[in-house]
Amino acid sequence: GAGVSQSPSNKVTEKGKDVELRCDPISGHTALYWYRQSLGQGLEFLIYFQGNSAPDKSGLPSDRFSAERTGGSVSTLTIQRTQQEDSAVYLCASSLDHYGYTFGSGTRLTVV
Amino acid sequence: KQEVTQIPAALSVPEGENLVLNCSFTDSAIYNLQWFRQDPGKGLTSLLLIQSSQREQTSGRLNASLDKSSGRSTLYIAASQPGDSATYLCAVRIYTGNQFYFGTGTSLTVIP
Repeated sequence: GAGVSQSPSNKVTEKGKDVELRCDPISGHTALYWYRQSLGQGLEFLIYFQGNSAPDKSGLPSDRFSAERTGGSVSTLTIQRTQQEDSAVYLCASSLDHYGYTFGSGTRLTVV
Repeated sequence: KQEVTQIPAALSVPEGENLVLNCSFTDSAIYNLQWFRQDPGKGLTSLLLIQSSQREQTSGRLNASLDKSSGRSTLYIAASQPGDSATYLCAVRIYTGNQFYFGTGTSLTVIP
């Protein structure tokens, strides 16, 4: 596609439920990032995928968070047993060769 | 760990004024630096990307400079317009590791 697509754009979930956030990167982009932006905070790195290499999961805040990237394209970020502190905007970005990064519009997650 | 600081946190200027936003980083071994804008409730839009070997990049009314030795970048906006009102973020990628390190941003308001 022309840009990075994220879905859903908004998600309200009850505490304790699992959620899945989807990112569709620009076609052909081999690098994919997930970041989190909490209210009043900066962007927090979560996970990085590069081609078929093992992902860099060093930013995931707990084992409730996981992500996968199927076929080197679409990525899904899963949060299990959601907590109120998980409420944030989750942003995905992709890049072809680290010469430029394109972000999606994000998924606003609210845990009630 | 790379620390990225943006000053000022907020800035309000009358329309037509030229302005400078500042970004400083602690680790000068950077791979590249990118400036983004973020509109309320939206994702990030890339403005300018400066590779480590470059000193500046220009796009329209925007000019970004990079001084690795002093750990600084500036974003110059000429003849500011109300449509420039947004939060401006700088992000640094270093040679070790995969993530971007983001500053907390400068919130710009251009008053008509």
